[in-house]
Amino acid sequence: GESVGLHLPTLSVQEGDNSIINCAYSNSASDYFIWYKQESGKGPQFIIDIRSNMDKRQGQRVTVLLNKTVKHLSLQIAATQPGDSAVYFCAENRRSNDYKLSFGAGTTVTVRA
Amino acid sequence: DTGVSQDPRHKITKRGQNVTFRCDPISEHNRLYWYRQTLGQGPEFLTYFQNEAQLEKSRLLSDRFSAERPKGSFSTLEIQRTEQGDSAMYLCASSGRTGGYQETQYFGPGTRLLVL
Repeated sequence: GESVGLHLPTLSVQEGDNSIINCAYSNSASDYFIWYKQESGKGPQFIIDIRSNMDKRQGQRVTVLLNKTVKHLSLQIAATQPGDSAVYFCAENRRSNDYKLSFGAGTTVTVRA
Repeated sequence: DTGVSQDPRHKITKRGQNVTFRCDPISEHNRLYWYRQTLGQGPEFLTYFQNEAQLEKSRLLSDRFSAERPKGSFSTLEIQRTEQGDSAMYLCASSGRTGGYQETQYFGPGTRLLVL
C-alpha cells in the first residue's frame, strides 16, 4: 500500500493568502521527507526537506512542519502567488528503503486572482 | 544549465517498437535514478545507479526494460516491444555524495512517452 498520502487532492486559494498542504505517512521508520512542486509538463522541483530529528524547517516563503506522533507533515506557503499553482507531492524515505523515494498522489493547488 | 537533462522530451511510438531515453545527471552526482509517473499519480521508483553499478530494480521494471550507465555519467533507459501500458512520463533524478539515503534527489524535465 501507499506509504505517504495527501489529505486533499485539490486546494483552491486566494492570491495573497497562506496555503497549507497536508500529508500523512504510515511507517514510523520514515525519517526523511521532501516536498516537491510539479508544474504541468515539467519534472518535480525540490522545495524543501526535513529530517525526523526536526519538527520545523523554514525556507523562502515555505515552512514544513513534521509531527512524528501522528505521522503527519504539512507544507505552508506564505502569501501564495499565481506562480505557486502546481501539483505538490510529499515523498518519504527510510534507511530500509535505501535510496527509493516513495511519493504520495499529489495535491493540485490553484491560485485565484 | 547545470540541472538534470533528459532527451527526448516527448516520444510517440507504435506498439511493438523499441525506444531509448537518455539522462544526463548533475555533474559530480554519483547516484542516478529512474522513476515512472502516470497521469494523476506521484512518481514510482524504477531503478538506480551508484556510479556505473545498477544497485536496485523495482518489480515495475519488466524484462522489456533495461537501463545502463556505462561510464558512471549519463544513463539510458530502453524499452523493448513497447506496449500501450508503457505510456507514461519517465523521470530521471540524480543525487550527490553527502547525505546517504537522506540526500536530495533532483529531477529532470522528464520524457513523455505515448505508445499508440
